[in-house]
Amino acid sequence: DSGVTQTPKHLITATGQRVTLRCSPRSGDLSVYWYQQSLDQGLQFLIQYYNGEERAKGNILERFSAQQFPDLHSELNLSSLELGDSALYFCASSATGLVDEQFFGPGTRLTVL
Amino acid sequence: GQNIDQPTEMTATEGAIVQINCTYQTSGFNGLFWYQQHAGEAPTFLSYNVLDGLEEKGRFSSFLSRSKGYSYLLLKELQMKDSASYLCAVRDLGGTYKYIFGTGTRLKVLA
Repeated sequence: DSGVTQTPKHLITATGQRVTLRCSPRSGDLSVYWYQQSLDQGLQFLIQYYNGEERAKGNILERFSAQQFPDLHSELNLSSLELGDSALYFCASSATGLVDEQFFGPGTRLTVL
Repeated sequence: GQNIDQPTEMTATEGAIVQINCTYQTSGFNGLFWYQQHAGEAPTFLSYNVLDGLEEKGRFSSFLSRSKGYSYLLLKELQMKDSASYLCAVRDLGGTYKYIFGTGTRLKVLA
């Protein structure tokens, strides 16, 4: 158990819908990262927050947005969902958000029908 | 462009040593990471290298040469439980920070 929690574990929804994925980092970690993993594209970095501020940005679609709240939990919002958004979404946390060890949560499996 | 290359699959025998190579081309460099991922599970951190040289951590070692854009992960005394995918990732510092992952090397350890 990494200490990072993600909810829900599974999510099934329809195209065009909007969903919110939630992540709670390990106690004491200030930085949160979001990743998408699909079978054909491997692990893709989406975005990183540090203490509530955006720190780094990957190839995150404009339909996706995220934020980190004052209690350091984070949410990833996915809107206008498409079939291709079906994937495993991982959240990770680290202490400083610099070159340090990231601890991954168990992931949320999103299925878009 | 930005690219990370690693072999797709490797097979080795229990008790042996295996080296998984990773080459990268990124616009900037601020660290290289190795992760292990068992099927259906989340990645777990193995090591990171920022400076050239070898970092050793138990049965696992990771090497970096920044001038060659090259790293390897060395696994010694292979065990069946080491059968997993190994992901190489670079923290790119080109304009803004981001993490770029290779597609992973699937290692199969045979008895």
